[in-house]
Amino acid sequence: ETGVTQTPRHLVMGMTNKKSLKCEQHLGHNAMYWYKQSAKKPLELMFVYSLEERVENNSVPSRFSPECPNSSHLFLHLHTLQPEDSALYLCASSQERGWAYEQYFGPGTRLTVT
Amino acid sequence: DAKTTQPTSMDCAEGRAANLPCNHSTISGNEYVYWYRQIHSQGPQYIIHGLKNNETNEMASLIITEDRKSSTLILPHATLRDTAVYYCIVRSPAGKLIFGQGTTLQVKP
Repeated sequence: ETGVTQTPRHLVMGMTNKKSLKCEQHLGHNAMYWYKQSAKKPLELMFVYSLEERVENNSVPSRFSPECPNSSHLFLHLHTLQPEDSALYLCASSQERGWAYEQYFGPGTRLTVT
Repeated sequence: DAKTTQPTSMDCAEGRAANLPCNHSTISGNEYVYWYRQIHSQGPQYIIHGLKNNETNEMASLIITEDRKSSTLILPHATLRDTAVYYCIVRSPAGKLIFGQGTTLQVKP
């Protein structure tokens, strides 16, 4: 596999469920990101990990819990979600170097909370 | 990070060049111009970025005006698969990628 992969691609969960989204990057990058894209809205940055340390948390509710066990893997643990959390969740990675670096995105997980 | 302004939508005939404009009049000296695109329900795809010189890669060309207050992304021979939302983002070296609404490009046969 190449690039950034995400599993599952689609997820339907009830408000009392616990589930996890997985992201894996095969690019040798040292930073990983979670974004949320709700219908008709721009992408919103949720979390940033650099060298496996969380460096940014954009006021995301605690029902979303990220985990970065190593530089290649990123998880988003979900519990007691609300219907308004239904969205496309995107993972990205980058190699932080110098002044400019591009982010590479995965295909996303389409989450529906019922 | 500076704000960008893009047209909401554009059409382009298949095989013709697509020229997507972006205004970033408040850009600072150390801010880069990035372009990404997002095909329906997929993750965004990096296209190109530049600081002040024009840039070209296998996907597109980026033309930045001399005063750096605007730029144009050029897809030289648009195909139906180039139909997507195109995002112009201005970003400082340590800054975040902040996505706006972008330009919806519709390539027509």
